[in-house]
Amino acid sequence: KNEVEQSPQNLTAQEGEFITINCSYSVGISALHWLQQHPGGGIVSLFMLSSGKKKHGRLIATINIQEKHSSLHITASHPRDSAVYICAVSSRGTGNQFYFGTGTSLTVIP
Amino acid sequence: NAGVMQNPRHLVRRRGQEARLRCSPMKGHSHVYWYRQLPEEGLKFMVYLQKENIIDESGMPKERFSAEFPKEGPSILRIQQVVRGDSAAYFCASSPTPRGGYTFGSGTRLTVV
Repeated sequence: KNEVEQSPQNLTAQEGEFITINCSYSVGISALHWLQQHPGGGIVSLFMLSSGKKKHGRLIATINIQEKHSSLHITASHPRDSAVYICAVSSRGTGNQFYFGTGTSLTVIP
Repeated sequence: NAGVMQNPRHLVRRRGQEARLRCSPMKGHSHVYWYRQLPEEGLKFMVYLQKENIIDESGMPKERFSAEFPKEGPSILRIQQVVRGDSAAYFCASSPTPRGGYTFGSGTRLTVV
């Protein structure tokens, strides 16, 4: 079983729709990260969370530490939001290991 | 501030050759992390380095792979005697502290032929 599970694996939405991507984890964490990876491109760090909620433009990330669950929401989705969204956790264990979800591939259709 | 710079962007090596991947962290960042993304798979942690020190190499294959982050210059991920299974995207990230402010590079795509 992976330390980080994401759902859904693939998501297609119409432009303007509200999108939610979910992430559950099973390890003790110091922080949870949402990353964005465009096809053939690099990785951009969207959020780092250890509690509560953060908002950046049309993106909102929430985390529930007790339930070991986080969500990434995109409001008024746009085709340029099409990318792979990856949930990652930095472990509270020794060293500084990251555990990654397998990603959610989002396609927003005009 | 140019961000995290990785080079080359694409690297082709024949089986048995050596691959050297470079990562220049953001200015002021002394923590560097390497990750590997195999085709059709998620990212996997490889190694965490601070200047001149390897902090956590628990994700590194036991043989052929090594990493360094010297006092001067970029961090280097070195793969000796490459095999086809090493073909992947290798990403580097840096941060100013161990727990925050991560910035990722654009990756190096290694193809072993």
